[in-house]
Amino acid sequence: AQKVTQAQTEISVVEKEDVTLDCVYETRDTTYYLFWYKQPPSGELVFLIRRNSFDEQNEISGRYSWNFQKSTSSFNFTITASQVVDSAVYFCALRLGSGNTPLVFGKGTRLSVIA
Amino acid sequence: DTGVSQDPRHKITKRGQNVTFRCDPISEHNRLYWYRQTLGQGPEFLTYFQNEAQLEKSRLLSDRFSAERPKGSFSTLEIQRTEQGDSAMYLCASRETGAVYNEQFFGPGTRLTVL
Repeated sequence: AQKVTQAQTEISVVEKEDVTLDCVYETRDTTYYLFWYKQPPSGELVFLIRRNSFDEQNEISGRYSWNFQKSTSSFNFTITASQVVDSAVYFCALRLGSGNTPLVFGKGTRLSVIA
Repeated sequence: DTGVSQDPRHKITKRGQNVTFRCDPISEHNRLYWYRQTLGQGPEFLTYFQNEAQLEKSRLLSDRFSAERPKGSFSTLEIQRTEQGDSAMYLCASRETGAVYNEQFFGPGTRLTVL
């Protein structure tokens, strides 16, 4: 069975600090996809990034960066120079590569950025 | 607006009543998913459609739940004889035809409160 663990339930940082959100996944499949979604107070899940299991290149997009390490089954997300608008719940999710399987989500990490 | 839309955004009902939610996916997305999210948890998969065919149902989808997508466009999720445990956010997502790694785009959700 697939599982995603986000051990940090809540994180609070002061604006401009860097913050890393942890994600550990479990699957026996060799082909899978990892995602990060942001859920602001409005409730809508916003797609941030997708990574496939064959691509371990780290990625940077503006203040966001992602570190994918298959050796530790982790897909961590770092926000550099955090801003108040980054306050939200962040979800890590896993989807198998076989067929049209649904997403398996972690429980989320609530990030509060204080001005 | 070309995103996924859901109606209503909020629904308050009394225990035992039936409720129906609607989801309009992004046009030309032939895959449509329903998820349920309870407080403090990540979304959990309920069911999935490819065009009008319902291809997979989670064990979470009890006999009181039924979903349809009659013309392969919008979908409805009906809950009969609602119970307080049905109180949750019901999220709809759609995905583009084609590449297996394509991400799911989520709607704003319908928040159900059963009194």
